Amino acid sequence: QSALTQPASVSGSPGQSITLSCTGTSSDVGAYDYVSWYQQHPGKAPKFMIYDVTNRPSGVSNRFSGSKSGNTASLTISGLQAEDEGNYYCSSYTTSSTWVFGGGTKLTVL
Amino acid sequence: QVQLVQSGAEVKKPGASVKVSCKASGYTFTSYYMHWVRQAPGQGLEWMGRINPNSGSTTYTQRFQGRVTMTRDTSTRTVYMELSSLRTEDTAVYYCASFCGGDCPRIWGQGTMVTVSS
Repeated sequence: QSALTQPASVSGSPGQSITLSCTGTSSDVGAYDYVSWYQQHPGKAPKFMIYDVTNRPSGVSNRFSGSKSGNTASLTISGLQAEDEGNYYCSSYTTSSTWVFGGGTKLTVL
Repeated sequence: QVQLVQSGAEVKKPGASVKVSCKASGYTFTSYYMHWVRQAPGQGLEWMGRINPNSGSTTYTQRFQGRVTMTRDTSTRTVYMELSSLRTEDTAVYYCASFCGGDCPRIWGQGTMVTVSS
């Protein structure tokens, strides 16, 4: 099972909106609506930001939203803030009953 | 409070085995899969496998087949991940995590650093 494909880095200015992509195949992202997004700061455990493509866990800002089209999922962050800087990972359930993560995107807030 | 608490850091020599524990609290332990995910220094997240705490059945990613064993103790609400034949490339933070498609607790343990060095 190959890792999902994410851009290595993305940057944006405070107040902007940015979109992170996560591309898989018809055997993972395209097969189920079980894509999650995680935020990770250095030295910390990942934090759930989005699950099941579009759902936000309690306590996560509504500036974070998720979507999916075909084999590509997206995470949009609106009103970018300095605290949003960090690494973002996507994951998906697969038709092999396994899970797979993306390689991660480093988000820099300029 | 829903949480996962992992065992402490380990230092092992190449060829040895390591066993990491993860104790769950605050939810019905046997109702949801527990996953193990590792992260090598400066690298991304890698799914290793999962265990059904109710039945004990496991699914491992092919990369770790034959080297990883996940078990559970329902009396103590604890899952274990044992990795054998350690190599220096196994140096990583190992996380347990609860997640699924649908309704389940979505939480991560604090991570356990495993260092493999001669």
